[in-house]
Amino acid sequence: EVQLLESGGGLVQPGGSLRLSCAASGFTFSGYAMNWVRQAPGKGLEWVSVFHSGVGSTYYADPVKGRFTVSRDNSKNMVFLQMNSLRAEDTAVYYCAKGRYSSSWVFDSWGQGTLVTVSS
Amino acid sequence: QSALTQPASVSGSPGQSITISCTGSSSDVGGYNYVSWYQQHPGKAPKLMIYEVSNRPSGVSDRFSGSKSGNTASLTISGLQAEDEADYYCASYTSRSTVIFGGGTKLTVL
Repeated sequence: EVQLLESGGGLVQPGGSLRLSCAASGFTFSGYAMNWVRQAPGKGLEWVSVFHSGVGSTYYADPVKGRFTVSRDNSKNMVFLQMNSLRAEDTAVYYCAKGRYSSSWVFDSWGQGTLVTVSS
Repeated sequence: QSALTQPASVSGSPGQSITISCTGSSSDVGGYNYVSWYQQHPGKAPKLMIYEVSNRPSGVSDRFSGSKSGNTASLTISGLQAEDEADYYCASYTSRSTVIFGGGTKLTVL
């Protein structure tokens, strides 16, 4: 059974930084794309970033490009999201989501999310 | 890039069928067969229901089906059940190598 467990969320001041982690189990982690998707309180889903396996390509949504960095450690079955220069509009539940295959844009398993609150 | 367009809400009675539309452009929905649909119950993580326009993951009821015509994709739920009441989101790959979601549709089972 696929399991994804996010951690690292919390309250941070505008301009601050936070690093989210996602621990994966139940599948061959190195063979799948890993994504971050967020959801602001009471709002819809917004894709944030993906780290494709194999070639190791990374992609970002425009609102976070240049501020967020996705990385992964296949030896530890973990994916990370380094978030810098945080803004109030980054406040959201951040979900880690497994891709359907190595370069997939489909999210076939999701974690329960970790809440990031950006406020002074 | 603006979100894909979905109706804010739809409703139906148990046993009926409903369809949720998802309209984009030739740069996303219309240009690729990478449309997926997600179900989200309140306070829960989303769940993949349909991928690549019309494919169902194992374990998803065959009451759920997807299709696409031009720049508009659709999710149809037949034989509505109370447990289908949830928010539904479409998503599409885009020409900019990103993913864009729809604004979400709240399904009410009357």
